[in-house]
Amino acid sequence: GAGVSQSPSNKVTEKGKDVELRCDPISGHTALYWYRQSLGQGLEFLIYFQGNSAPDKSGLPSDRFSAERTGGSVSTLTIQRTQQEDSAVYLCASSSAGTGMTEAFFGQGTRLTVV
Amino acid sequence: QKEVEQNSGPLSVPEGAIASLNCTYSDRGSQSFFWYRQYSGKSPELIMFIYSNGDKEDGRFTAQLNKASQYVSLLIRDSQPSDSATYLCAVYNQGGKLIFGQGTELSVKP
Repeated sequence: GAGVSQSPSNKVTEKGKDVELRCDPISGHTALYWYRQSLGQGLEFLIYFQGNSAPDKSGLPSDRFSAERTGGSVSTLTIQRTQQEDSAVYLCASSSAGTGMTEAFFGQGTRLTVV
Repeated sequence: QKEVEQNSGPLSVPEGAIASLNCTYSDRGSQSFFWYRQYSGKSPELIMFIYSNGDKEDGRFTAQLNKASQYVSLLIRDSQPSDSATYLCAVYNQGGKLIFGQGTELSVKP
């Protein structure tokens, strides 16, 4: 596609339910990032995929969070047993190389509300 | 110590003035530095990047990098109300991870 696509745009879920957030990066981009942004806060790094390398999961806040990237393209972020503090905007970004010298493009985000 | 630090603001400047935004980073091996702008309710968008020590100018925007001091800044000349947004500093660390600061909220008053 022309840009990074995320779905759903909005998700309201009950506390304790599992949710899946999807990110479709720009075609050909090998690097993919997930961030979390709480209201009025900066971007909190969650996880980073680069090509076929093992992902950098150092930002995942708990073992309720996991992510995978299938075929080096689409990524899914899963949050199990959601809690109210998980409410935030989840942003996905992709870039064309993992050398750290290129612009990262963002999707429109998924606004997650846990009630 | 956070990997990338910015003053959260808010920073308020009058229209036509120069806005100065600052950022420090902890990974001395970092090689590339970015400034993103984020309007309320929108996703971040890139406005400047800089790789080498010194200044880089693009229109009303100037990015400054000092690797010895681990410091990067963004100057906005002739600030306009449309520049009112949150400005995010981002740094790739040596592992290729893109880390953001907490952002500085800029308000340009007409």
